[in-house]
Amino acid sequence: EDQVTQSPEALRLQEGESSSLNCSYTVSGLRGLFWYRQDPGKGPEFLFTLYSAGEEKEKERLKATLTKKESFLHITAPKPEDSATYLCAVRGSGTYKYIFGTGTRLKVLA
Amino acid sequence: GAVVSQHPSRVICKSGTSVKIECRSLDFQATTMFWYRQFPKQSLMLMATSNEGSKATYEQGVEKDKFLINHASLTLSTLTVTSAHPEDSSFYICSAPSGSRTDTQYFGPGTRLTVL
Repeated sequence: EDQVTQSPEALRLQEGESSSLNCSYTVSGLRGLFWYRQDPGKGPEFLFTLYSAGEEKEKERLKATLTKKESFLHITAPKPEDSATYLCAVRGSGTYKYIFGTGTRLKVLA
Repeated sequence: GAVVSQHPSRVICKSGTSVKIECRSLDFQATTMFWYRQFPKQSLMLMATSNEGSKATYEQGVEKDKFLINHASLTLSTLTVTSAHPEDSSFYICSAPSGSRTDTQYFGPGTRLTVL
């Protein structure tokens, strides 16, 4: 059964304190792993798509990496405006459906 | 990135009434759209897949007569919550794959439904 597990559930960081969020997955024929940011009361905002092990993508203070079993979202020198819930999802072969993790709630303190 | 809109952003209704939520892809065409439901501090739960020109596909446990989906065109899908009850109160979000190689899903801003 396809499954996505995110950890930690919640994370509090001081401004400038770098850290990583984890997304472990099990899927039949990975067609893509997706990272989204969701602010309270809003829809998820697309961040990255990763397709194959070893792939990396960066955007400002965020960097996403992928192995055959998990993905990491690295946050370098975070700022308070990076506070949000970060969602990971995977798409398997033969479907457009995403399987979502439960998210990591990130709080960056000034 | 691709833009998806939803209307209304917030709706309050009385128990027993029906509520329609619209989802539009603004700068791309979408033969498929998805409807999700999200409870506070929980992740997104897929309710159904909306298919242009054919019937929607509902996930297990989702009542198709309760949540009516119509995919009227390549840019518009609607979700109608029929005879709404307080337990239907939730945050409803639609998404559409961009149609590019990635088929990345882009999400609408969501609709907060409160049933009194």
